[in-house]
Amino acid sequence: DIQMTQSPSSLSAVVEDRVTIACRASRSIKSYLSWYQQKPGKAPQLLIYAASSLQTGVPSRFSGSGSGTDFTLTISSLQPEDFATYYCQQTYSTPLTFGGGTKVEIK
Amino acid sequence: QMQLVESGGGVAQPGRSLRLSCAASGFIFSSYGMYWVRQAPGKGLEWVALISYDGSTTYYADSVKGRFSSSRDNSKNTLFLQMNSLRAEDTAVYYCAKSWGGNSYVMDVWGQGTTVTVSS
Repeated sequence: DIQMTQSPSSLSAVVEDRVTIACRASRSIKSYLSWYQQKPGKAPQLLIYAASSLQTGVPSRFSGSGSGTDFTLTISSLQPEDFATYYCQQTYSTPLTFGGGTKVEIK
Repeated sequence: QMQLVESGGGVAQPGRSLRLSCAASGFIFSSYGMYWVRQAPGKGLEWVALISYDGSTTYYADSVKGRFSSSRDNSKNTLFLQMNSLRAEDTAVYYCAKSWGGNSYVMDVWGQGTTVTVSS
């Protein structure tokens, strides 16, 4: 199974901060990585697929990069609606696996 | 717009069964693979099952293999998860999700979730 490790597990930031979240796979997954945003009590929402492709309707302040084993989600200018938990997911092979999540909180 | 609505959650005793449903609308259901993903209270996301567009292929997480079974009725645009021999650790919110397309394992549309509680 491919293990996905996110860091940090939580972070505190203020509006307009640049935020970076890391995700590491236990072996190469090429560019088969997605990022999801989940707000409390809500279902996850797809942000990024194929490591760097922005899902339709997602603001351009979100971006993804990386390939192989190391990936990054960047929010260029944090907005109030971005305070949430973010998950990476490898889409390379079954069993599908998610990272443990990164909670972005207000400082 | 594309929509998924889960139902069937509730409280069950350990060892008993529950059947979840996921009603799809706004897209050609029979063209897409579908997923079940769960989230235990205060925990992260865990993939549970996937089923191909025609129901001919299914995959399961080891944690549910042999106990859970996913199926679909494409004539009724509905996905199912039959959960047998339930355990306390199956307590979670269960989401169904739609595959982005092709052979992708990307989940682009999610339902609102249904809560399953396993307790005596």
